[in-house]
Amino acid sequence: EADIYQTPRYLVIGTGKKITLECSQTMGHDKMYWYQQDPGMELHLIHYSYGVNSTEKGDLSSESTVSRIRTEHFPLTLESARPSHTSQYLCASSEGQGVWETQYFGPGTRLLVL
Amino acid sequence: AQRVTQPEKLLSVFKGAPVELKCNYSYSGSPELFWYVQYSRQRLQLLLRHISRESIKGFTADLNKGETSFHLKKPFAQEEDSAMYYCALGATNKLIFGTGTLLAVQP
Repeated sequence: EADIYQTPRYLVIGTGKKITLECSQTMGHDKMYWYQQDPGMELHLIHYSYGVNSTEKGDLSSESTVSRIRTEHFPLTLESARPSHTSQYLCASSEGQGVWETQYFGPGTRLLVL
Repeated sequence: AQRVTQPEKLLSVFKGAPVELKCNYSYSGSPELFWYVQYSRQRLQLLLRHISRESIKGFTADLNKGETSFHLKKPFAQEEDSAMYYCALGATNKLIFGTGTLLAVQP
């Protein structure tokens, strides 16, 4: 079944650790996105990709990095986690050539950095 | 500045009552507007978009460029409508989300 997956769903980790949040989609979409959402706040776009080897930073500054080596895979990495990185991270994908196609969201990863 | 404002964090209504979730936007270009919804323990998903001019689950939203608003309406709320609703603006290759409104429909 076509879907978008995120692992882990929950992560508690100590300061200074390197972490990678995984996002994969089997929907055949070219476009993928990472959003950050603090409790009670809006979603902020932190990274996006329009295809393989294409990555761009979003409007919210983030110390994370992303890669897009395969169409279906869009991992997000934090080289050295800090308590300020504690948040929920949502991955999304969309299809088509236009800009405003429906975005399909994954279940999210809740990150807690101690 | 590009911005989406949802003034109500929580809207509580009784079943059968009309619902209006407010959304105002700030954007200098021609706006593309959306409503996304997140039901309990489910993912964020698209509810409707203004360009489609459709009614989904009894909800409608009309773009009012003069008032820069895109309010979401339903004439008779159902308990299953209880969810978090986000208004979003399509602007310069990205979606800008509001802070969301939690709709609670009481029996």
